Amino acid sequence: KQEVTQIPAALSVPEGENLVLNCSFTDSAIYNLQWFRQDPGKGLTSLLLIQSSQREQTSGRLNASLDKSSGRSTLYIAASQPGDSATYLCAVRPGGYNKLIFGAGTRLAVHP
Amino acid sequence: GAVVSQHPSRVICKSGTSVKIECRSLDFQATTMFWYRQFPKQSLMLMATSNEGSKATYEQGVEKDKFLINHASLTLSTLTVTSAHPEDSSFYICSATSGTGGANYGYTFGSGTRLTVV
Repeated sequence: KQEVTQIPAALSVPEGENLVLNCSFTDSAIYNLQWFRQDPGKGLTSLLLIQSSQREQTSGRLNASLDKSSGRSTLYIAASQPGDSATYLCAVRPGGYNKLIFGAGTRLAVHP
Repeated sequence: GAVVSQHPSRVICKSGTSVKIECRSLDFQATTMFWYRQFPKQSLMLMATSNEGSKATYEQGVEKDKFLINHASLTLSTLTVTSAHPEDSSFYICSATSGTGGANYGYTFGSGTRLTVV
């Protein structure tokens, strides 16, 4: 059974810091991995989608890496801003399945 | 980009009544739609998967008679919470994908519905 774990559960940093959010999964047989952002009381916004054959994806200040063999992904946020404050969720699509398995998320607070 | 609209965003209902939540894909045909439930400060729990024109597949432990899902068209799925009780109060989120079997597609989420049963 695929399980997804995110570390840390919560993070509070001053503005301007570079951040690393971690995601690990127990079964390396995945189609892809997706990082989402969720603001309080809102739905999910897709940030980055990494296919199983890819090593990383970049969008603006965000960079996500994938090491499928070790079951790990990292979301790197450069020069954090207060507007980055949200919960970041990692989800994998297991091979052979049409669904996502989510981690519990990392709650990020960036203060001025 | 792909957009999924979910309505209503908030609903308050009396215990014992039924509530319907709609999920629409606005600019793509959603072959598969998903319904999730999220408790405060917890992650998303998949409730069921529905393919257009087919019966929904429910995850273990989800009462199919309480959470009725209809996916009658390629752009609309509905979740009806029947005979709602306070313990059904939660945040419900839908998701949709246009993928039909290939691995190279992602999932788009609605904005969620906050259900409060009083």
